[in-house]
Amino acid sequence: EVQLVESGGGLVQPGRSLRLSCAGSGFTFDDYAMHWVRQAPGKGLEWVSGVNWNSARIGYADSVKGRFTISRDNAKNSLYLQMNSLRAEDTALYYCVKHKGTYYDSSGSCFDYWGQGTLVTVSS
Amino acid sequence: QSVLTQPPSVSAAPGQKVTISCSGSSSNIGNNYVSWYQQLPGTAPKLLIYENNKRPSGIPDRFSGSKSGTSATLGITGLQTGDEADYYCGTWDSSLSVWVFGGGTKLTVL
Repeated sequence: EVQLVESGGGLVQPGRSLRLSCAGSGFTFDDYAMHWVRQAPGKGLEWVSGVNWNSARIGYADSVKGRFTISRDNAKNSLYLQMNSLRAEDTALYYCVKHKGTYYDSSGSCFDYWGQGTLVTVSS
Repeated sequence: QSVLTQPPSVSAAPGQKVTISCSGSSSNIGNNYVSWYQQLPGTAPKLLIYENNKRPSGIPDRFSGSKSGTSATLGITGLQTGDEADYYCGTWDSSLSVWVFGGGTKLTVL
């Protein structure tokens, strides 16, 4: 059974940093691209970032480009999101999501498994 | 403002059929596969339909997907109260080089 377990969320002041982690199990982690997708309270889904199976290609939403960094450690079956210069509008539930394919920008694929999310609240 | 446009809400009676539309452009739906996600209250999204019209294992055939031009449609037949959820369409946008979602549609089974 595929499992994705996020951690690292919490309350943080504007301008500070936070690092999210995601532990994957039940599948061959290094065969698949991975993503972070967020959902602000009462709002819809927003793609944040994606990374290929081997970290060779990475993409970001414009709203986080230059502030967030996605990374993965295939030896540890883990995905990370380093979030710097946090803003109030970054407040959301952050989901770790498995891609159905190898390349995060493969238009023929989709998000086939989602974690339960970790809540990030940016407030003074 | 979402790149993909969905109606905010739809409703129908138990046992009836409902369709949810998702409208985009040539840079997203028009040239890429569409997937659909179901988000039950208080839970994470779940993949319902991928590659426009394919169902993952375990998804009942009451759920169907289709695509025509720059629009896609999710159909649900034999509505059950357990189908009450938010439904999202998603696809890759080749011009923006990002994944995009619709704003979500809340389904109410009256």
